[in-house]
Order: sequence, then C-alpha cells, then structure tokens
Amino acid sequence: QGQLVESGGGVVQPGRSLRLSCEASGFNLSNYGMHWVRQAPGKGLEWLAVIVHDGSNMYYADSVKGRFTISRDNSKNTLYLQMNSLRAEDTALYYCAKNQVPYASMVHFDFWGQGTLVTVSS
Amino acid sequence: EIVLTQSPATLSVSPGERATLSCWASQSVSTNLAWYLQKPGQAPRLLIHGASTRATGIPVRFIGSGSGTEFTLTISSLQSEDFAVYFCHQYNIWPETFGQGTKVEIK
Repeated sequence: QGQLVESGGGVVQPGRSLRLSCEASGFNLSNYGMHWVRQAPGKGLEWLAVIVHDGSNMYYADSVKGRFTISRDNSKNTLYLQMNSLRAEDTALYYCAKNQVPYASMVHFDFWGQGTLVTVSS
Repeated sequence: EIVLTQSPATLSVSPGERATLSCWASQSVSTNLAWYLQKPGQAPRLLIHGASTRATGIPVRFIGSGSGTEFTLTISSLQSEDFAVYFCHQYNIWPETFGQGTKVEIK
C-alpha cells in the first residue's frame, strides 16, 4: 500500500512562510493525484489543494488560493505545500493524502500520512 | 462549493447496537462520496467509496448507501473499535469538501 510521511511543520509568526513536504514510499508517486488536507485543533477536515499525477493541473480551496502552492517532484517521490502569508487561522495538522486510482483526477483517497503540525503565532 | 452536512453531530450507541449516520450534499455528487473513520491521534482511514463500496479489509457491518444528495453510513452492530469520528467526503467536483463529522460515542 505504501506510506506517506509529512515534515516541515513548526511554529511560525503571522505573515511568514513555511514549506511542507510529503515523502512517498512503497509506490510510484508519479502515477497518482495527491492532496493536502488540514485539521485545526479539535475541528473537522478541510480540503486544501490537489495536484494531478503529472503536475499539469492544480486546484485550491478559496481559503488558501493565492497564498498556498502545491507542487511535486516525482523524481524525488515528494509532494510539497508552500505556504505564504500565514495567518493564525492556518494553525492545524496538515495531512497529505493519495488518490487510490492511478491517473484519475476525481477519486477518493486510499491513505493518508500522519500529519505535520503548523502553529502560527507571534 | 458543495457543502456536506452530517447528522447527528454526536451519536450515543451501546455496543452491539445499530448506528445510522447521514450526510447531505448541497447539490448532487452522484455516487462520488466516501466515508472515513478517524480515531484520536490518528489519520483518517477509508471505509467506503463510491457511496457503497467497502474499502479493502473493511468489515461487512459497515454499509454505505445513497446517491445524489442523500447518503447514509450504517454500522450494523457496533464494536468497541468503531467508536470514533466519521467524515463524509465528496470528490465529484473541485473544490472537494468534507462534512463536519459525526462522533460515535459509547452510550
């Protein structure tokens, strides 16, 4: 089935930037669309962004559009989320998640990483 | 964006009893709906996709149904490991969205 491991979280001041990584193992990342989803403390899940398998198309939630950028390096089997102009409300556990069906765009996630915590605070 | 509304927010059920969770979509998502279970401190885990197809390894007591705008997850006989939070997720159109979750707790 494979594994996803997120990293790059931490404490950051409002207005600053952070880049998250999601390293995939046990499967070929280049075959799958990938997503970022976050969960604020004690809250539900919020879908943030998707990138198709070859990186040719991305889509964002309105809450992060223009501030966050999803990208991938298939040669490194790694997904990224560049987060700029961070706000207190961006404080959350950030998960990466994998589409189950290769090369498909609109499909469910078959597994998720364990998440990396981002805290935006002065 | 499509809004998913889950009901109830909390469901108190005794072990061995049946639990019925609902998810309503603000517009049709066809059968492009999944259910995930999340336990404290863990990532969500896929239970159901395509509204009614159980994921690999998921017990038959988990039953998904519905299409269009109304969906149901039924757990026919609750086991101790089923007490958790359940989320529905539509992947019919971007932006994808999640319901706010239903917590199934021990009565």
